[in-house]
Amino acid sequence: DIQMTQSPSSLSASVGDRVTITCRASQSISNSLNWYQHKPGKAPKLLIYAASSLRSGVPSRFTGSGSGTDFTLTISSLQPEDFATYYCQQSYNTPGTFGQGTKLEIK
Amino acid sequence: QVQLQESGPGLVKPSQTLSLTCTVSGDSISSSDYYWSWIRHHPGKGLEWIGYIFNSGSTYYNPSLKSRVTMSIDTSKNQFSLKLTSLTAADTAMYYCATERPAGIINYWGQGTLVTVSS
Repeated sequence: DIQMTQSPSSLSASVGDRVTITCRASQSISNSLNWYQHKPGKAPKLLIYAASSLRSGVPSRFTGSGSGTDFTLTISSLQPEDFATYYCQQSYNTPGTFGQGTKLEIK
Repeated sequence: QVQLQESGPGLVKPSQTLSLTCTVSGDSISSSDYYWSWIRHHPGKGLEWIGYIFNSGSTYYNPSLKSRVTMSIDTSKNQFSLKLTSLTAADTAMYYCATERPAGIINYWGQGTLVTVSS
């Protein structure tokens, strides 16, 4: 299976900050990388697919980039509702595999 | 918009079989082109993709769980199900049902159901 490594595992930031989360694949996955947001007790939500395509309805402050093995999720100006755990997932191979998550907390 | 709701027992004994059902609303399982998936999240660990079933009944399971997993679909009830046999404590997790596009993108998730394996 392809291993996905996210960093950092946790991050403290303030409303209005710009934050970046990185995800690295153990082999090239082209642009087959997706990002999800998960809040406790809620269903996870797809934010970005194919590395950089913003899902309809997701605020434009979320951007994804990268290809091959290295990817980033950037939130340009944190809003209170953005504090959550974020996961990357490769969909290049089946089974799709996930990063271990990045918990974004309020500073 | 598709909505999914998992149901099943919260506590199962070791060596027993887990049975979970996912009820779908907002789309028809029989006519949709989604894959109907199961994913789990172990406490303190990462997410693990269990497998999917298509409305034709064709399935694909994670090789790490393949020997213990069976998925089925009931188009008359707009539900799909997961059975996991020979449970151990390592199967304790939050279980999610989800819809998956053919490119492996998981576009809708249920809220999850916590399953604890304990005697």
